[in-house]
Amino acid sequence: KQEVTQIPAALSVPEGENLVLNCSFTDSAIYNLQWFRQDPGKGLTSLLLIQSSQREQTSGRLNASLDKSSGRSTLYIAASQPGDSATYLCAVGGFKTIFGAGTRLFVKA
Amino acid sequence: DTAVSQTPKYLVTQMGNDKSIKCEQNLGHDTMYWYKQDSKKFLKIMFSYNNKELIINETVPNRFSPKSPDKAHLNLHINSLELGDSAVYFCASRAGGGTNEKLFFGSGTQLSVL
Repeated sequence: KQEVTQIPAALSVPEGENLVLNCSFTDSAIYNLQWFRQDPGKGLTSLLLIQSSQREQTSGRLNASLDKSSGRSTLYIAASQPGDSATYLCAVGGFKTIFGAGTRLFVKA
Repeated sequence: DTAVSQTPKYLVTQMGNDKSIKCEQNLGHDTMYWYKQDSKKFLKIMFSYNNKELIINETVPNRFSPKSPDKAHLNLHINSLELGDSAVYFCASRAGGGTNEKLFFGSGTQLSVL
């Protein structure tokens, strides 16, 4: 049974810092891994999707990596801004897409 | 244009009532899902339909019954609502089962059972 863990559960950083969010999963037989952003009271917005055959994906200040053999993914956010404050969720795609509990990020101005 | 739309956004009701949540996607996707997000913000899959066929049915009370009249719609009917059903319910869709297909989410329905 796939289990997805995200560390840390919460993170507070000053504006401008680079930061890394971590996601680990127990079953390496995955189709893909997707990172989402969720703002309070809102739905989920897809940030990046890494296919199982890929190692990383980049979009603007975001870079996500995938290491299937070790069951890990990281989301790197460069030069964080207050507008980045949200909950970040990783989701491991297989027959079912399984979500981690998320990392709540707060970027202080 | 909203890609995945759910109605209603908020639903407040009494225990024992029956209610429905509707979901529509205009992306031409084949697969649709219902997820439940509990008070701890943990998202759990409930159901998945592919081209109107049920393909995932998690351990969900049979008071919950999904219905897909066509592949663009997936509704969720809940009978005899209980306090523990209070949560945010999200509809999602994806094109199919390929490795490069993103999940797209609706904005959620916040259900409060009193």
